[in-house]
Amino acid sequence: EAGVVQSPRYKIIEKKQPVAFWCNPISGHNTLYWYRQNLGQGPELLIRYENEEAVDDSQLPKDRFSAERLKGVDSTLKIQPAELGDSAVYLCASSLDLTGSTEAFFGQGTRLTVV
Amino acid sequence: KQEVTQIPAALSVPEGENLVLNCSFTDSAIYNLQWFRQDPGKGLTSLLLIQSSQREQTSGRLNASLDKSSGRSTLYIAASQPGDSATYLCAVDDYKLSFGAGTTVTVRA
Repeated sequence: EAGVVQSPRYKIIEKKQPVAFWCNPISGHNTLYWYRQNLGQGPELLIRYENEEAVDDSQLPKDRFSAERLKGVDSTLKIQPAELGDSAVYLCASSLDLTGSTEAFFGQGTRLTVV
Repeated sequence: KQEVTQIPAALSVPEGENLVLNCSFTDSAIYNLQWFRQDPGKGLTSLLLIQSSQREQTSGRLNASLDKSSGRSTLYIAASQPGDSATYLCAVDDYKLSFGAGTTVTVRA
């Protein structure tokens, strides 16, 4: 069974440009998370979906970040415009159960560099 | 807001020694606690999941304990090997999956 798939793996863009990341969760997983991880730190939650509904986006900088999960499957995270401080690894994760009682599985991440 | 702390931040041991990694959290109202491994430049690999009703969970050389009332979990890795060198992260699921900053482990051959 395929794990969580993210693309691209790496992205280098100039500041003020837009960028988008894509995530395909494990088949059948209801819950999908987007995290941002800065160097030497643990991942920080940006947004959490249950099926197609964003149930926690309190940490998403909504002035420049947006996300969607169409049909409760794949998800896209967008930044427009990107700033130097957005350089980080963006991780997507999914889990099966809505009650929080099952394992979360992570993708390989997208390393974003803003220059 | 849930705060997750991992001590120590880094650990270096000779091969064969047992590893003890600590994780503490401030809000005990959690569904579960999960330990992950992260290799440089890679994503997170799930090691163990402990449900809130469990006291410990074992997988091979790994054993994790959970004391929810005191807000603590410990990951034990027996007979460490150089291949165990990585960063180990704990995450508590209180509907949010909050992470500590991790413990970076180096096992010297």
